[in-house]
Amino acid sequence: GAGVSQSPSNKVTEKGKDVELRCDPISGHTALYWYRQRLGQGLEFLIYFQGNSAPDKSGLPSDRFSAERTGESVSTLTIQRTQQEDSAVYLCASSLGLAPTGELFFGEGSRLTVL
Amino acid sequence: AQSVTQLGSHVSVSEGALVLLRCNYSSSVPPYLFWYVQYPNQGLQLLLKYTTGATLVKGINGFEAEFKKSETSFHLTKPSAHMSDAAEYFCAVRGDVEYGNKLVFGAGTILRVKS
Repeated sequence: GAGVSQSPSNKVTEKGKDVELRCDPISGHTALYWYRQRLGQGLEFLIYFQGNSAPDKSGLPSDRFSAERTGESVSTLTIQRTQQEDSAVYLCASSLGLAPTGELFFGEGSRLTVL
Repeated sequence: AQSVTQLGSHVSVSEGALVLLRCNYSSSVPPYLFWYVQYPNQGLQLLLKYTTGATLVKGINGFEAEFKKSETSFHLTKPSAHMSDAAEYFCAVRGDVEYGNKLVFGAGTILRVKS
């Protein structure tokens, strides 16, 4: 596709359930990022992937959070045993590479509501 | 480590008035600085960025920002606000790859434009 695609756009789940969020980056973009945006707060870095290098997981808030990416394609963010504080918009972004001057292209996000 | 402070979570201006959104950063290395905009129900998009060279940077939609190292600031301005500028604006900072490649965002400023 032309842009970063995320699914689902909205997810409502019950506390304790697992959820999977998907991100399809722009074709050819080797770097992929996940951010979390809580209501009224800025974007909180979660994890990034660059090609076949080990991902930087330093932003993952707990071991309930994990993410995978196969090669330079789709990524999945999994949240196990969801809690109410996990409610947020999860944003995915991709970029051509890891150049620090490069632009990140964002998807529209997946809004997660944990009841 | 890098961090960003955006002064004012909400800014309201009249149509045609000057827009000034404040951003101060903290970085242990020469920073790369960015402004992103998020329109309602859309993903973030890049407005402008400072990497090296000229400290006054021009972006899309008539916005510009000036990098002031002595003040550790990167304030965003626009001479005359339009109704279509109503959105949330995020300042972000990034260091060189060896310092981690995370793009660190501020908490955001919601701009309201009154007719």
